[in-house]
Amino acid sequence: QQQVKQSPQSLIVQKGGISIINCAYENTAFDYFPWYQQFPGKGPALLIAIRPDVSEKKEGRFTISFNKSAKQFSLHIMDSQPGDSATYFCAAGGEYNAGNMLTFGGGTRLMVKP
Amino acid sequence: GAGVSQSPRYKVAKRGQDVALRCDPISGHVSLFWYQQALGQGPEFLTYFQNEAQLDKSGLPSDRFFAERPEGSVSTLKIQRTQQEDSAVYLCASSLQSGGETQYFGPGTRLLVL
Repeated sequence: QQQVKQSPQSLIVQKGGISIINCAYENTAFDYFPWYQQFPGKGPALLIAIRPDVSEKKEGRFTISFNKSAKQFSLHIMDSQPGDSATYFCAAGGEYNAGNMLTFGGGTRLMVKP
Repeated sequence: GAGVSQSPRYKVAKRGQDVALRCDPISGHVSLFWYQQALGQGPEFLTYFQNEAQLDKSGLPSDRFFAERPEGSVSTLKIQRTQQEDSAVYLCASSLQSGGETQYFGPGTRLLVL
């Protein structure tokens, strides 16, 4: 059972545009929602994370929007740059499980055209 | 400071061969996770250690997979009698505390079973 669904699978955006990636989860016990960025040949790196007690979190050009009732959250990348071209993963975790292991979405391959 | 390191970075094995993958977490990190990432997919949880104790191994796909962290620092993931379906990138992550949220990932070991 896929507990975190991510869309789209791939995304092409012009430089300066807004990239939007969406995720939906099923398990209401999740209470931690990070986004990871992964470049080819590298491990995932934490980009930004949110807890369900807030509806939005912004760090620089990256914003997470969270809708608890809909069990959905999204990543917005403002003023997208070619250097943002990478694969992005949403994930969900919670203290209900040992160690707060993460359940990942399937990933979105973002390409930002110059 | 040094991040999570993994070795080898690449491993080619013949079907039926045993392999051992090493993870050096960030010094002082209590929690250590192993994930499996198939090509074009998000990481999937394999197992979790809190110090030397393996608290969750629910994600290990078969009894051919075994992980250990005998002194609470370095961890080894061993796969016995490798099969072609074991081909994937194996990621190690560590976090500072038990239940700590931010997981820091290593670059992964890419395993190819022929």
